[in-house]
Amino acid sequence: DIQMTQSPSLLSASVGDRVTINCKASQNINKYLNWYQQNLGEAPKLLIYNINNLQTGIPSRFSGSGSGTDYTLTISSLQPEDFGTYFCFQHNSWPLTFGSGTKLEIK
Amino acid sequence: EVQLVESGGGLVQPGRSLKLSCVASGFTFSNYGMNWIRQAPGKGLEWVAYISSGSSYIYYAETVKDRFTISRDNAKNTLYLQMTSLRSEDTALFYCARHLTGSDYWGQGVMVTVSS
Repeated sequence: DIQMTQSPSLLSASVGDRVTINCKASQNINKYLNWYQQNLGEAPKLLIYNINNLQTGIPSRFSGSGSGTDYTLTISSLQPEDFGTYFCFQHNSWPLTFGSGTKLEIK
Repeated sequence: EVQLVESGGGLVQPGRSLKLSCVASGFTFSNYGMNWIRQAPGKGLEWVAYISSGSSYIYYAETVKDRFTISRDNAKNTLYLQMTSLRSEDTALFYCARHLTGSDYWGQGVMVTVSS
């Protein structure tokens, strides 16, 4: 199984900050890496698919990068609605696996 | 608008069975693979099972293999998850999700609690 190691697990930041969240796969997952945002009591929402493709309706302050085993989600200027928990997800091979999550909180 | 609505959850005793349903609307259900994904209280996300559009390909997580069965009825736009031999560690919010570029649309989830 492909293990997804996500860091940091907790991130404190302020509105307007630039933040990055990292995800490292235990093996090459090619381009098949997604990022999701989950707010309390809600279902996860797809932000970025296949490394760097912005899902419809997602603001351009979100971006993704990476290749091979190392991937990054960047939020260029944090907005109040961005606080929540973020998960990476590989869909390169079965079983599909998620990172353990990054809780982004207000500093 | 894509909608996925799960149902069938509840409180069940260890060792018993439960069947979840997910009704899809707003897209051509028969064209898409579907996933079940779960989230234990206060925990992260765990993929559970996948079924292809025509049910030819089915995959399970090792934690549920031989206990859970994923199926679908394309005429009814409905996805199912038959769960047997339930354990306390199966307690979770179960989501159905459309499998496109991973999982693009998710339902709101249905809670399954396994407890005596």
